Amino acid sequence: ETGVTQSPTHLIKTRGQQVTLRCSSQSGHNTVSWYQQALGQGPQFIFQYYREEENGRGNFPPRFSGLQFPNYSSELNVNALELDDSALYLCASSLEGLGSLGTGELFFGEGSRLTVL
Amino acid sequence: AQSVTQLGSHVSVSEGALVLLRCNYSSSVPPYLFWYVQYPNQGLQLLLKYTSAATLVKGINGFEAEFKKSETSFHLTKPSAHMSDAAEYFCAVSLNAGNNRKLIWGLGTSLAVNP
Repeated sequence: ETGVTQSPTHLIKTRGQQVTLRCSSQSGHNTVSWYQQALGQGPQFIFQYYREEENGRGNFPPRFSGLQFPNYSSELNVNALELDDSALYLCASSLEGLGSLGTGELFFGEGSRLTVL
Repeated sequence: AQSVTQLGSHVSVSEGALVLLRCNYSSSVPPYLFWYVQYPNQGLQLLLKYTSAATLVKGINGFEAEFKKSETSFHLTKPSAHMSDAAEYFCAVSLNAGNNRKLIWGLGTSLAVNP
């Protein structure tokens, strides 16, 4: 089975620009969660997508948005970038939903490191 | 409400010494519990998980954790630290949220291993 893959691995943007980060979920998983991890901090929950719909959101402004596609891959979009958006963005997939044996275990990608100048 | 507390944001041990990273949780129902490890500039990797089976859980790289309901704890241990164990360790509890489950994270413990 293939694991969670994220792209790009590193990118540099300037303030005010927009960025799109991509994530391919692990085979057989239907849920994708996105996290922001600033340097020296723990992961902060941005939102989760389940069957192509947002299913929970953390304390992030609307300029953070996402999509999940029919193949369960996902995108994270951030508009009007700010310096504080510089962080490692982690995508994690899982198998969830009624009738599943999901325990909440997340399978993480290696992350996309965003630097905003 | 469910929450996770990791005692000690930084732990330093000597190579070969016992590693003990503490995690306490609060949960109104039997929880699922996890330890993840993050090496520098990498994503999070599952070390081990408790899912209502054996209370002593063995994970990768020689780590293990014991679920103690009476103490609401899930401490992570390793008998003998190796230099390669230096990393950030996160404890998490699984929260039931509608159809799905979400992880509630501790703030992490940075483990340093001294030669």
